[in-house]
Amino acid sequence: SQKIEQNSEALNIQEGKTATLTCNYTNYSPAYLQWYRQDPGRGPVFLLLIRENEKEKRKERLKVTFDTTLKQSLFHITASQPADSATYLCALPWMDSSYKLIFGSGTRLLVRP
Amino acid sequence: DAGVTQSPTHLIKTRGQQVTLRCSPKSGHDTVSWYQQALGQGPQFIFQYYEEEERQRGNFPDRFSGHQFPNYSSELNVNALLLGDSALYLCASSLKTGGENIQYFGAGTRLSVL
Repeated sequence: SQKIEQNSEALNIQEGKTATLTCNYTNYSPAYLQWYRQDPGRGPVFLLLIRENEKEKRKERLKVTFDTTLKQSLFHITASQPADSATYLCALPWMDSSYKLIFGSGTRLLVRP
Repeated sequence: DAGVTQSPTHLIKTRGQQVTLRCSPKSGHDTVSWYQQALGQGPQFIFQYYEEEERQRGNFPDRFSGHQFPNYSSELNVNALLLGDSALYLCASSLKTGGENIQYFGAGTRLSVL
């Protein structure tokens, strides 16, 4: 069955540094991968989508890479700020249906001022 | 432009009771998905409604049912509540353009089963 793994340990970094979060998946090749941000007590907010034929996607201080050979996506936040502190979730479509998304358990990012 | 709205925000029930959660999608969206999110976990897909029909379902028992109305709003019903049903229930709306299924989430309903 499909599995998504994100580092369950919180990532604690100094303001101004680059945060790098990892999403690993197994057992199939998705057409795309999505990243969401979730703040406490709120629903996830869509950030970026990267397709299987794209190696990298950027949006302002965010960068996502997608390595279909390693079955891994990396999510980078450059020049991190305390306001970037949140939980970041990756999501993939289920192999048997594009209507269903499977989410990782998320990685909590803490940016110290 | 109103985003996805859910009601109520919090709910406390006892085991065996039934609950109904409500969701209004983002303006212009025609598809509604429901997710269950346990503490410290990612959202788990329950089902998706499109054109008032359940289009896809996750690994949830039949105690979980839903409905979509002609105005695209939706309800999630859970019967015979168990302690393990305590979670944040998220509604998300979307448009299936380009097959990318980007989800726009509401703030969720926090359900506590005692």
